Amino acid sequence: GAGVSQSPSNKVTEKGKDVELRCDPISGHTALYWYRQSLGQGLEFLIYFQGNSAPDKSGLPSDRFSAERTGGSVSTLTIQRTQQEDSAVYLCASSKNRQVGELFFGEGSRLTVL
Amino acid sequence: GENVEQHPSTLSVQEGDSAVIKCTYSDSASNYFPWYKQELGKRPQLIIDIRSNVGEKKDQRIAVTLNKTAKHFSLHITETQPEDSAVYFCAATKPGNTPLVFGKGTRLSVIA
Repeated sequence: GAGVSQSPSNKVTEKGKDVELRCDPISGHTALYWYRQSLGQGLEFLIYFQGNSAPDKSGLPSDRFSAERTGGSVSTLTIQRTQQEDSAVYLCASSKNRQVGELFFGEGSRLTVL
Repeated sequence: GENVEQHPSTLSVQEGDSAVIKCTYSDSASNYFPWYKQELGKRPQLIIDIRSNVGEKKDQRIAVTLNKTAKHFSLHITETQPEDSAVYFCAATKPGNTPLVFGKGTRLSVIA
């Protein structure tokens, strides 16, 4: 498909385990974002990749969270030693141009930490 | 960094009435202000945006206004319909390698 693809769509894990969430952006989009949406809450910025620039990690809530983007395309968000408060929907978005332009969101990965 | 405040958090209107959602931003350098709509269980989607070189933009029943001096912008929906029921997010960003920052959202319910 031509949209932003995220996997897994649902992930249930036990407290203390590590999880990896994957995002495949729209081909040719240089900007990639990760946001977190807790139940009934807003879109909390986590991290932003733009081309070959150093990522903006200012939104990552703790050092348990990290993300990488390989080859300027696929991105992986890793949460180590998961906690119950990490339970949320993790949304990935991409856009064609740097910073200004429509963001296309994926369906999200729903993470539940037991 | 940029901070975006959005009000109200919930809004109920009768079908056919107008709805207004207001946002303020903190960084006077911000120059791009989009609005996203998220229907229940779905992904957010862009519905309208405005850049700082204009004060108002309209698209059918939806309009956005921007007051740069006061650092606030608003979404106006006229003749509301049940399908307008959703969560609406405002956002702001400035030139340079900076991310889009969202408000906390407004849950709009249109009552038939």
